[in-house]
Amino acid sequence: AQSVTQPDIHITVSEGASLELRCNYSYGATPYLFWYVQSPGQGLQLLLKYFSGDTLVQGIKGFEAEFKRSQSSFNLRKPSVHWSDAAEYFCAVRPGRNFNKFYFGSGTKLNVKP
Amino acid sequence: ETGVTQTPRHLVMGMTNKKSLKCEQHLGHNAMYWYKQSAKKPLELMFVYNFKEQTENNSVPSRFSPECPNSSHLFLHLHTLQPEDSALYLCASSQELSPGANVLTFGAGSRLTVL
Repeated sequence: AQSVTQPDIHITVSEGASLELRCNYSYGATPYLFWYVQSPGQGLQLLLKYFSGDTLVQGIKGFEAEFKRSQSSFNLRKPSVHWSDAAEYFCAVRPGRNFNKFYFGSGTKLNVKP
Repeated sequence: ETGVTQTPRHLVMGMTNKKSLKCEQHLGHNAMYWYKQSAKKPLELMFVYNFKEQTENNSVPSRFSPECPNSSHLFLHLHTLQPEDSALYLCASSQELSPGANVLTFGAGSRLTVL
C-alpha cells in the first residue's frame, strides 16, 4: 500500500532560522509529489509540486523541495523562516497511474519563535 | 466567487439529524473530491467524482451519501452520524490538463460536530 510519512509532528524554529520538513513515501515508481500548507481554519494551499525533471523545485513563499529517489524523500526547505510561516504542512503523493488518488502524510505543525 | 467554496463553514448536529454539506468550484475543473480531516490522522479520501460520475468510494459508511449533480457542485448528505464523525470535511477539485498534471485545489472546509 502507498504511504506517506512525516516523522516530525511538531517543529519549533526561531524566526530567521532555516527550516527543513521531512517527507518519505513508499511507492515502487516515481510518484508525483506535493507539499501543501494549512493555516488554522483554512483549507490546504499548494506550496509546490514535483512531476519530473529537475529534482529541486521552487514553490511559493520562498519554499523549495528536493526529490531524492534513492531515499524516497521529498523534504521541504526554507532558508529563513518568517512568523507568518507558522502553520501545518502536509506532504502528498500521487502514484502515477491513478490520476485521482492522492495520499497525504499526517502533517507537521510548525511553530515560529520570535 | 473564485476557487472552491464550502458551506456551511461550521455545523453542529445531533445523531438523528439530517444535514448536507455543499461544495462549489468556480475553476472549470472536471473532478471533485471529499476528504475527511481528523486530528492527528492523515487526510482520508472519501469520494471522487469525475465528470459527475463517482470513481472512488473509499469504504465510506452509508450514513455519508455524496451527490454530484454537475461538475461544479458536490454535496455530502449526512444522516444518523456518530460522534466519531466529527471532523473537518474538505472539498477539493482538480483538472487533468495533461498526463500527470493533476493538482488538488481545496476549499476552506466544513467543521462538523456531532453531539
